[in-house]
Amino acid sequence: GQNIDQPTEMTATEGAIVQINCTYQTSGFNGLFWYQQHAGEAPTFLSYNVLDGLEEKGRFSSFLSRSKGYSYLLLKELQMKDSASYLCAVMDSNYQLIWGAGTKLIIKP
Amino acid sequence: GAVVSQHPSRVICKSGTSVKIECRSLDFQATTMFWYRQFPKQSLMLMATSNEGSKATYEQGVEKDKFLINHASLTLSTLTVTSAHPEDSSFYICSARAPDRNTEAFFGQGTRLTVV
Repeated sequence: GQNIDQPTEMTATEGAIVQINCTYQTSGFNGLFWYQQHAGEAPTFLSYNVLDGLEEKGRFSSFLSRSKGYSYLLLKELQMKDSASYLCAVMDSNYQLIWGAGTKLIIKP
Repeated sequence: GAVVSQHPSRVICKSGTSVKIECRSLDFQATTMFWYRQFPKQSLMLMATSNEGSKATYEQGVEKDKFLINHASLTLSTLTVTSAHPEDSSFYICSARAPDRNTEAFFGQGTRLTVV
């Protein structure tokens, strides 16, 4: 079956760095997405990786290793507004998105 | 980026009534739209894939007669929850596939449905 694993919850301090990991097993691979979702709101797109390596976009970076079925989202200089759930999703061979359960990130002052 | 508008954002309805949710792509033509449901503290669950001009493809376990999907144009898809019951209370979200199919990244704002 298809499976996306990510930690349920993480806690970090304002101004620090946090890394949210995601491992996946899917039928085919057409890219991995990271989304941010604040409570009661729809997800917003953060990043898309289809090739191995690191993609940097401001304070957020996303890494992919296809051979390991592994990705991480790195958040730097954490701000209180970064408190949210972070969803990892993989697009399979049918171009369907397979969703992880999300990681709730709690930022403490 | 592409904009997807979903309406209404919140709706409260009585048990047994029907509710229609609209999803519009405002600045691009979406040949495919997706409908998701999300229960509290859970991940997004794909309900159905909606293709313009054809019948929607429903995921296993989703009742097509209860969740009616219409995708009559390239910019509008609707989800109608028929004969709603309290267990249908959930957060419903649509997304539209942008012309570049590898960047399905555009979601509507979501609709919070409460059935009383």
